[in-house]
Amino acid sequence: GAVVSQHPSRVICKSGTSVKIECRSLDFQATTMFWYRQFPKKSLMLMATSNEGSKATYEQGVEKDKFLINHASLTLSTLTVTSAHPEDSSFYICSARDPPSGSYEQYFGPGTRLTVT
Amino acid sequence: GEDVEQSLFLSVREGDSSVINCTYTDSSSTYLYWYKQEPGAGLQLLTYIFSNMDMKQDQRLTVLLNKKDKHLSLRIADTQTGDSAIYFCAETGYSTLTFGKGTMLLVSP
Repeated sequence: GAVVSQHPSRVICKSGTSVKIECRSLDFQATTMFWYRQFPKKSLMLMATSNEGSKATYEQGVEKDKFLINHASLTLSTLTVTSAHPEDSSFYICSARDPPSGSYEQYFGPGTRLTVT
Repeated sequence: GEDVEQSLFLSVREGDSSVINCTYTDSSSTYLYWYKQEPGAGLQLLTYIFSNMDMKQDQRLTVLLNKKDKHLSLRIADTQTGDSAIYFCAETGYSTLTFGKGTMLLVSP
């Protein structure tokens, strides 16, 4: 099946700094990538949808100036958490869609654990 | 908005069958999915079913869909300790996925 990777898998940063998380589709071209945030004992919350070459569409309540998403190529999307605060600590998961298959399957990355101290 | 509901916890003994249930509200759902998440890991697609099907079997996994009642279930036959994880159901119309909160399956020896 299609493989999606994320880097880094874990990151610890200080309050006020910025952190970039990469999401790559390894063996397919993903015109659409999704970023999710997962809170403990809760479901995944969709943060934004990014289409290659265009601006990301953010879900209600997600600050686009804080969570910068770039999808510059068909295989790479990045999420930058700017001026991170402890409440941004979470598990961030990306997913990518493989449009040529004609289905709506999404393939998920392994996730990035962000801890802000 | 659309909603997907799951029971939060299920405990079974090794070798038994597990049935995880899910209900959804979106009548325009096209695909329905089951994902597995092991601790600290991302989501692994287990199986999916198209909305015009009512059953799909894949080795130990059986998915049943009652579209009239908007009810989806995942049956795991001969459950093993390695099946212990959180299972998410999700649905999509034509765009994004809506997830349930996940069912934690605990398999005891």
